Amino acid sequence: AQSVAQPEDQVNVAEGNPLTVKCTYSVSGNPYLFWYVQYPNRGLQFLLKYITGDNLVKGSYGFEAEFNKSQTSFHLKKPSALVSDSALYFCAVAAPGGQNFVFGPGTRLSVLP
Amino acid sequence: DADVTQTPRNRITKTGKRIMLECSQTKGHDRMYWYRQDPGLGLQLIYYSFDVKDINKGEISDGYSVSRQAQAKFSLSLESAIPNQTALYFCATSDRGLRTGELFFGEGSRLTVL
Repeated sequence: AQSVAQPEDQVNVAEGNPLTVKCTYSVSGNPYLFWYVQYPNRGLQFLLKYITGDNLVKGSYGFEAEFNKSQTSFHLKKPSALVSDSALYFCAVAAPGGQNFVFGPGTRLSVLP
Repeated sequence: DADVTQTPRNRITKTGKRIMLECSQTKGHDRMYWYRQDPGLGLQLIYYSFDVKDINKGEISDGYSVSRQAQAKFSLSLESAIPNQTALYFCATSDRGLRTGELFFGEGSRLTVL
């Protein structure tokens, strides 16, 4: 069975600094990996995905994520954080041939002005 | 208008009452999902449907039922609500297989069971 861990409940970063939100996964075979963002009182929005190919994936709003197979990680990054990036971020994994996504518990990102 | 619409957005009810949460979509997707969000637990899958005649239980289906009335409509029912079903519920859709990746979410239905 697949699983996702987001080891940090909360990440605080100053505006303009780089940010990283961590995700590790467990799945049989090559994973499909995703990041979603949830703003207050809203549904989740897709940010980016890794299916195959280049390990560095670029997504919406200047975010990127790096797939590391040996470390089973898919950390979300952004070179320069904005206050408007403050939100709840979810990592998700799916197994090839599987039918569903498994979500991590979420990491709350706070970008301080 | 939103592509995935959930009604009601907020509902307070009492233990033992029957509750229906409705979801409709205009994206033309075959696949629809109901998730439950609790703080610190992420999203847990309740039920999913890959077409009108295909409905499947997710990881936490006990106490819930669903109906796929049409390709565009997927309802979640709590036959006899209990307080630990207090949560934020999300409907989502996707197009075909997982490889396409993207789930499209509604804005959520916040349910409080007293």
